[in-house]
Order: sequence, then C-alpha cells, then structure tokens
Amino acid sequence: AQSVTQLDSHVSVSEGTPVLLRCNYSSSYSPSLFWYVQHPNKGLQLLLKYTSAATLVKGINGFEAEFKKSETSFHLTKPSAHMSDAAEYFCVVSDLSSGSARQLTFGSGTQLTVLP
Amino acid sequence: DSGVTQTPKHLITATGQRVTLRCSPRSGDLSVYWYQQSLDQGLQFLIQYYNGEERAKGNILERFSAQQFPDLHSELNLSSLELGDSALYFCASSPGAAPNEQFFGPGTRLTVL
Repeated sequence: AQSVTQLDSHVSVSEGTPVLLRCNYSSSYSPSLFWYVQHPNKGLQLLLKYTSAATLVKGINGFEAEFKKSETSFHLTKPSAHMSDAAEYFCVVSDLSSGSARQLTFGSGTQLTVLP
Repeated sequence: DSGVTQTPKHLITATGQRVTLRCSPRSGDLSVYWYQQSLDQGLQFLIQYYNGEERAKGNILERFSAQQFPDLHSELNLSSLELGDSALYFCASSPGAAPNEQFFGPGTRLTVL
C-alpha cells in the first residue's frame, strides 16, 4: 500500500529565506508524486508533479522538488520565501497498489508560516 | 479560479438528515473526485467517477453515495448524518481517468448539529 509522511506539521521561515518542506513516501510500484498548496478557505492547487521523467521538477511560483528514489523522498524547496507563500502544503503519492486504478494518498500537510 | 464549481458553499443540518452536494467539473474533464477534509482525519479520497462510471473507491462510508450524470456533473449524497461527518468536502476534476493532475473546487463546508 502507498503512504506518504510529511515530516513537519509546521514550518516557519523569514521572508527572503529558503523554504524546505520534507516528504517521504512508501510505494510498491513506480509512483507519481505531487505537491499541492491550500490557501485559507480555498481549494487545493497543484504546485508540481513527478511522473518518472526528470528527477528535479520545477513548479509554479518558484517552487521545485527533487525525487530521490534511494531515500524515498520528495522534498519541496524554494530559494526565497514570500509572504504570499504562507499556506498549507500537501505531499501526495499515486501508484497502482490500490488495484487497477490509481488513487491519490495525501500527506497530513505542512503549515508554512512566513515571518516579515 | 480552477474552473470547478461546487454548491452549496456552506450547509448546516441536523443529525440523521440527508444532504446532497453538487459539483460541476472543468469544461472537458471526464473525471470527478470527491474528498473529505477534517481536522482529525486530514484529506481523504472518497470516490472517483470517470465518464459516468465509478472508477475508484476510497474511504467512503456506506451511508454516502455518489453519481456522475451524462452532462458530467456529479452529486455526493450523505445520509443518516452524524456529528463526525462535519467536514469540508472537496470535488476535483481531471481530463482523463488517471489522477495525474486534479483541479479542485472551493469546497462545501458541512456542519452537522
């Protein structure tokens, strides 16, 4: 069965400093991995996705993530945080372990606070 | 704006009642997904429909059911409601059957009193 663990429930950074949100996954098959962002009282928005192409994936708003199979990790980074990045971030895994149809399994989320 | 619409935005009802949540996918998307988000359970996948047929099932209770209509909009029916069903219910859509990229609606907040 697939699973995903977000290692930090809360992360605080100062504006202009780097962001690192950590994610580890477990998958029996070749997984697809995603990061979604949820701003307060909004739906989720896709930041980026990995689907077995390049291991370094670039997303929107300056975010990127690196797929490391040996470490079963898919950490999200951004060189310089902006106040508008404050939100909840979800790491998501999808594989075929649930049968013939892929399903998404969401991590528990990381709340990012950006301090002025 | 993702292009996915959900109605109503808020719903307040009593235990034992039945409610229907509605979702219209993005134009051209054939798959609709339903999710439940609560503080204690996090974001959980409930069910997926693809072009009118049930495609995948997650942690959906037997008291809950869904369908997708010929115009591709979907409804999630929740019956015999309990206090623990209070949550945000999201609908998402994607172009094909595989959930490679999903577009989420703004959600329906259900409060069961």
